[in-house]
Amino acid sequence: RKEVEQDPGPFNVPEGATVAFNCTYSNSASQSFFWYRQDCRKEPKLLMSVYSSGNEDGRFTAQLNRASQYISLLIRDSKLSDSATYLCAVTDSGYALNFGKGTSLLVTP
Amino acid sequence: DAEITQSPRHKITETGRQVTLACHQTWNHNNMFWYRQDLGHGLRLIHYSYGVHDTNKGEVSDGYSVSRSNTEDLPLTLESAASSQTSVYFCASSEETGSNTEAFFGQGTRLTVV
Repeated sequence: RKEVEQDPGPFNVPEGATVAFNCTYSNSASQSFFWYRQDCRKEPKLLMSVYSSGNEDGRFTAQLNRASQYISLLIRDSKLSDSATYLCAVTDSGYALNFGKGTSLLVTP
Repeated sequence: DAEITQSPRHKITETGRQVTLACHQTWNHNNMFWYRQDLGHGLRLIHYSYGVHDTNKGEVSDGYSVSRSNTEDLPLTLESAASSQTSVYFCASSEETGSNTEAFFGQGTRLTVV
């Protein structure tokens, strides 16, 4: 069983919609949490770190629930340019990232 | 600007050949990582290093090796390439200190083993 699990999607949503992704992790000792964005055939890039108190960056909100061991990403007012694969990642005792398989998002006109 | 570069970007090799993929970063990061990405598996950690002369095995290290002789470079070697190692390989680096530290990725190397 993979340590970090995500719904692979794809999520197809119209422009302007709100979409939420969830990610669960199995190691209760995981220390750091992230959402990365990956465009087709490109390298992953950090979208947001996820803090225990939750954090927001414009249209993006990330939340962490340590008790239930899940992380969420909410995208409001979806844009065509949000179409990508969103990767959940956690670190355990070191600095190496453990990634989920990614959730594919397609925003349509 | 600091950056992380991988070379080559694309490579085709034959089964059984030794192949080395280069990764070079100019951020002076102590942490460096190699991942492979395959359909259905996502990004999986191959090897990583937390400093010069330090190397560690990741989730899928069999058939791969790395060496860290300086801070800037972490070359990945496939000792005897197999078709199962056809994949996209990403190198990444991050700072040593603190939590929630961003990892920066290279643009990837697409390796095909025939």
